[in-house]
Amino acid sequence: RKEVEQDPGPFNVPEGATVAFNCTYSNSASQSFFWYRQDCRKEPKLLMSVYSSGNEDGRFTAQLNRASQYISLLIRDSKLSDSATYLCVAPPGNTPLVFGKGTRLSVIA
Amino acid sequence: EPEVTQTPSHQVTQMGQEVILRCVPISNHLYFYWYRQILGQKVEFLVSFYNNEISEKSEIFDDQFSVERPDGSNFTLKIRSTKLEDSAMYFCASSDPGAREAFFGQGTRLTVV
Repeated sequence: RKEVEQDPGPFNVPEGATVAFNCTYSNSASQSFFWYRQDCRKEPKLLMSVYSSGNEDGRFTAQLNRASQYISLLIRDSKLSDSATYLCVAPPGNTPLVFGKGTRLSVIA
Repeated sequence: EPEVTQTPSHQVTQMGQEVILRCVPISNHLYFYWYRQILGQKVEFLVSFYNNEISEKSEIFDDQFSVERPDGSNFTLKIRSTKLEDSAMYFCASSDPGAREAFFGQGTRLTVV
């Protein structure tokens, strides 16, 4: 099943730039939303959980638009270390997390 | 900070051999998962486990695969007769029943030769 759709990228941005990713989800029953980041050959790591309209953590802001069924992730003041693949997940009900291919970000010096 | 641990970090096995991948989930978590990621592809769900039984599995998780929680801390994935196409990174994850986030171990890289 394809629960989410993301632009695979890559997004190549200079250090200090602001970058935004969108993710659309297909199942209106989804109540929990997550952004994970995955570095090359590493495990997915939870970046942010989104349970209501949005969440902010430092340079990262996630927003949820239930009417249009999309979640966005905004990264301000990009660092080289932000280079990774960003995965959104929108599990309906109690189903396990299902990942798409994610969006690749490269922050360039 | 509690974490999911997996052993070994890398395993090389001959085609047709059985392998057991081991995981120690976060101690107060009750849901356990196995995922795999073939090089260059997305992370794929294999199986979820709750209350000592499989709660959901994907079409990848065929009769060659099995999972077990042999004691109060370990969670294992067994592949009975490995194939070349089983070569992948295998991730274990766990989650708290009160939350939906899953936390992943660092993975076991399985190479079948």
